[in-house]
Amino acid sequence: DAVLTQSPLSLPVTLGQPASISCKSSQSVVHSDGNTRLNWFQQRPGQSPRRLIYNLSNRDSGVPDRFSGSGSGTDFTLKISRVEAEDVGVYYCMQYTHWPHTFGQGTKLEIK
Amino acid sequence: EVQLVASGGGLVQPGGSLRLSCAASGFTTSNSWMNWVRQAPGKGLEWVANIGPDGSDKYYVDSVKGRFTISKDNAENSLHLQMNSLRGEDTAVYYCGRGDKWGQGTLVTVSS
Repeated sequence: DAVLTQSPLSLPVTLGQPASISCKSSQSVVHSDGNTRLNWFQQRPGQSPRRLIYNLSNRDSGVPDRFSGSGSGTDFTLKISRVEAEDVGVYYCMQYTHWPHTFGQGTKLEIK
Repeated sequence: EVQLVASGGGLVQPGGSLRLSCAASGFTTSNSWMNWVRQAPGKGLEWVANIGPDGSDKYYVDSVKGRFTISKDNAENSLHLQMNSLRGEDTAVYYCGRGDKWGQGTLVTVSS
């Protein structure tokens, strides 16, 4: 299985400051179709998961442009350029190149 | 508008069975890969299973293989998860999703 390891697991951030979450995979998640099948999800308290980024760096519809995804092969990053109060929650990376699809452990973002 | 409404959760004894359903609207399930993801209390997200557009391709996480069966009814635009031989570790909120959109989840509790 492709194991995804996120860091940090807890991320206290001051409002208006940037934030960055790392996700490292035990295997390359570049698919044979050329896409890097790596998604980022946000889960606000008490809510369902919401996909923010798909295929490494593509923002879903309605996702603010302060969210961005980058990386390659086995190392990935989700960046928030300026954290807002509504960004509080847990963030997960997820790969869907290999079966079983797998999630990282989650990174809990909180406001300092 | 895309909507996914999961149902069928509840309390079941170890060894028992439960069938989850997910009613989809705003899109056609016959055109989409559909997924089940679960979240144990206080834990992270775990991908459980998915099924291809025409229902012929099905994949499962190892821990549920042989016990869970994913299916879809494209005529009714719905997704199902038949869960047999349930164990305590299957206790979780189960979410159905298309990838970019996820429903509200249904709670499954396995306990005597």
